[in-house]
Amino acid sequence: AQTVTQSQPEMSVQEAETVTLSCTYDTSESNYYLFWYKQPPSRQMILVIRQEAYKQQNATENRFSVNFQKAAKSFSLKISDSQLGDTAMYFCAFMKHKGGSEKLVFGKGTKLTVNP
Amino acid sequence: NAGVMQNPRHLVRRRGQEARLRCSPMKGHSHVYWYRQLPEEGLKFMVYLQKENIIDESGMPKERFSAEFPKEGPSILRIQQVVRGDSAAYFCASSPSGGLNEAFFGQGTRLTVV
Repeated sequence: AQTVTQSQPEMSVQEAETVTLSCTYDTSESNYYLFWYKQPPSRQMILVIRQEAYKQQNATENRFSVNFQKAAKSFSLKISDSQLGDTAMYFCAFMKHKGGSEKLVFGKGTKLTVNP
Repeated sequence: NAGVMQNPRHLVRRRGQEARLRCSPMKGHSHVYWYRQLPEEGLKFMVYLQKENIIDESGMPKERFSAEFPKEGPSILRIQQVVRGDSAAYFCASSPSGGLNEAFFGQGTRLTVV
C-alpha cells in the first residue's frame, strides 16, 4: 500500500520570503502522479501543482514549484515570494497512474502561516 | 472548485439518526469520488462511483454507510444510525472521464454528531 508522509505539522514564513514543505512517499509503482493541494480556512481543496512521475522536469506553477526526487521518493513544494493568502493547510497526495480505481492517498498535512 | 456543489455545508445529527450528504458534480462529469477528513488528518478515500455504478468502495465502512450516483440527480452518501465517530468533513470530487488527475473537489459537508 502507498503511504505519504509530511514530517512538518506546522511551518511559518515571513511575507515575501521562500518556504519549502516536505513530502516523502512509499510505493512500489513506477508510474504515478503526485499532487500538492491547498486547503484554506474555507475548507475548499484547491489543486496547487501536479507532477507525473515519468517526467523528469520539475513542475512549476507561477510562485509554486516542486523538487521531485524519484529515487529518494521525495516531493517537496517550494513557495516563492510568500503571500498572506498562502496561509493554509497543504496536503501532499499520491495516485497510481492507471489500473483500476484511482485513489488519492493524502499525507496528514502541513499548516503554513504567512506572517506580515 | 465552485463547480462541484455539496450540500448541506453543515449538518448536525443526533446519535442514531440518518445523515444524507449530496454532491452535484461539475457539468459533464460522470465520475464521483467521496473522501472523509477527520480532524487534523488528510482526506481518506471512501468510494468511487460512475453513473449508476459503484466502481470501488474499498474505503467505505462495511456497515451503516452507502453511496449512490443515479442516472439523474446528485450523488448521495448516506450514513445510517450515526455515531460520534462519524463526525468529520466529507468531500466529493468529480472528473469527466475517471482519473483524479483532472478532478475538482467540492467545499465539503461538515457533519457533527451530537
